[in-house]
Amino acid sequence: EAGVVQSPRYKIIEKKQPVAFWCNPISGHNTLYWYLQNLGQGPELLIRYENEEAVDDSQLPKDRFSAERLKGVDSTLKIQPAELGDSAVYLCASSLGGQGRENIQYFGAGTRLSVL
Amino acid sequence: GDSVTQMEGPVTLSEEAFLTINCTYTATGYPSLFWYVQYPGEGLQLLLKATKADDKGSNKGFEATYRKETTSFHLEKGSVQVSDSAVYFCALSDQGGAQKLVFGQGTRLTINP
Repeated sequence: EAGVVQSPRYKIIEKKQPVAFWCNPISGHNTLYWYLQNLGQGPELLIRYENEEAVDDSQLPKDRFSAERLKGVDSTLKIQPAELGDSAVYLCASSLGGQGRENIQYFGAGTRLSVL
Repeated sequence: GDSVTQMEGPVTLSEEAFLTINCTYTATGYPSLFWYVQYPGEGLQLLLKATKADDKGSNKGFEATYRKETTSFHLEKGSVQVSDSAVYFCALSDQGGAQKLVFGQGTRLTINP
């Protein structure tokens, strides 16, 4: 069974340029998460989707970041314009969903963004 | 808000040594607790979990016990191998696993042969 797939794995851009990351969750997983991982730190949630609805986007900097999950399957995270401080690893995760305490999040390999 | 504090790294051990990585948490309610591992160039993988007090999670020789009285979830392994070299993250999830994970800062572990 395929895991969470993210692309690209690496992206180098100049500041003020736009950038987009793509995530395909595990088949059948209703919940999709985007996390930001700064160097030497643990991941922090940016946004969580239940199917196509964003149910927690309180930590998403909405002035420059946007995300979509139009058909409740794959998702795109966009930054426009990128700033030097956006250099980090962007992680996507998925889970079956629901309120069960056994619900497990599975992570993709991430996209490492470098803004020059 | 909820938070997780991990033992600072990096940690360097010799093969077959005993490993402990400390993790304490602050949370309202009764969170689920997790250890994730990140090998070089790979994504986060769930190592083990515990969903209620006194539960012990175990996998690949690693163990951690959910201690509500000390709000801790320390990771242990009796005999580490070179292949255990990775970054280990302690995390909690409140209201069940569907909610966001709150991670510690990670502990980099290096095992020398």
